Amino acid sequence: AQTVTQSQPEMSVQEAETVTLSCTYDTSESDYYLFWYKQPPSRQMILVIRQEAYKQQNATENRFSVNFQKAAKSFSLKISDSQLGDAAMYFCACHNNAGNMLTFGGGTRLMVKP
Amino acid sequence: ETGVTQSPTHLIKTRGQQVTLRCSSQSGHNTVSWYQQALGQGPQFIFQYYREEENGRGNFPPRFSGLQFPNYSSELNVNALELDDSALYLCASSLEGAFNSPLHFGNGTRLTVT
Repeated sequence: AQTVTQSQPEMSVQEAETVTLSCTYDTSESDYYLFWYKQPPSRQMILVIRQEAYKQQNATENRFSVNFQKAAKSFSLKISDSQLGDAAMYFCACHNNAGNMLTFGGGTRLMVKP
Repeated sequence: ETGVTQSPTHLIKTRGQQVTLRCSSQSGHNTVSWYQQALGQGPQFIFQYYREEENGRGNFPPRFSGLQFPNYSSELNVNALELDDSALYLCASSLEGAFNSPLHFGNGTRLTVT
């Protein structure tokens, strides 16, 4: 069974500053993907960034980047130059082909202060 | 490109009743997954449908059932509703066989059971 843990229920960041959201996971699979999803009040889950476990290089998408530490089973999300529109719930998730499913963490609510 | 659409947006049912939620997958996607998101929690995998058959199931009782149609749209049926079934139900589509195909989510259906 997979588990995903997000230890920060809430985080706050000043506009234009940088914030890091934490995530740890556990899986017995050797082949898996990790994701960060954003869920604004509109409720739609929006893919922010993904990381393939066999790739050592950390994924980057514009202002969003990850710190993937495979041995420690850690997958943190860094948001640079935070914007008001970044305010949302952020979910870390793990997917493996065997299970055909995403396992989500409990989420972190990010607040951005103007 | 048409995104994932879900109907209805909101629904109120009484304990013991039955409910059907509907989902149209994103164009080009042949796999549909359903997730239950209780208030303040991360989504939990219910099941996935591919080629009109169930292709993986989470820890949900048999009163949660589904269908997938030839056009890849899907229904989630819940019988004998319980108060704990109150949640946001998310549908997501993807391309089966493409392990790296991320899920695309709809805006969800908010179900309230009274």
